[in-house]
Amino acid sequence: DGGITQSPKYLFRKEGQNVTLSCEQNLNHDAMYWYRQDPGQGLRLIYYSQIVNDFQKGDIAEGYSVSREKKESFPLTVTSAQKNPTAFYLCASSILPGTGARGDTQYFGPGTRLTVL
Amino acid sequence: DQQVKQNSPSLSVQEGRISILNCDYTNSMFDYFLWYKKYPAEGPTFLISISSIKDKNEDGRFTVFLNKSAKHLSLHIVPSQPGDSAVYFCAASESRNTPLVFGKGTRLSVIA
Repeated sequence: DGGITQSPKYLFRKEGQNVTLSCEQNLNHDAMYWYRQDPGQGLRLIYYSQIVNDFQKGDIAEGYSVSREKKESFPLTVTSAQKNPTAFYLCASSILPGTGARGDTQYFGPGTRLTVL
Repeated sequence: DQQVKQNSPSLSVQEGRISILNCDYTNSMFDYFLWYKKYPAEGPTFLISISSIKDKNEDGRFTVFLNKSAKHLSLHIVPSQPGDSAVYFCAASESRNTPLVFGKGTRLSVIA
């Protein structure tokens, strides 16, 4: 089955610790994205990557880092510099233009809820 | 500065009636619009989209209307079913190479 997987579903971390959230897709999508959702805030873009070994900051990148060493994987690290890390984190992917279809439609994983204790 | 606005945080509709969810945008460069549906503790699922060259797109019970001059789009669900109860996000795209911009969502409750 093709899709996007995020692990773990629930994650707890102590204040001051870094933590890495996993995102894998087997849809052969070029672009991948990380969002965070807070109550009443909608989806806010953290980082995105349109090609391997390249990524761009989104609207709220401070305190986060990413890597894109493989097309299938786009892990997000929440560092101790992130002031309010407790949130629901969503990963998404999409195709890129030139494939004959509109590349903007993003497909989301099931999300990871991170709680800082 | 919010480029995509969903001004109604919540909406309640009786089962069988029409649900109308609204979305306004400010960026005139947006040319592609999408609606996503989200259940609690799950990722959003793509529902329906519309290109700026059209003013209507229909898929089963779901229809999206686009009014470019008013910078407004709406999602109509007819007839509404209890399983439609979820948060609906409006999203827009400026070009094929830019990420989607999302609204804050509208929580729809369909009452049996």
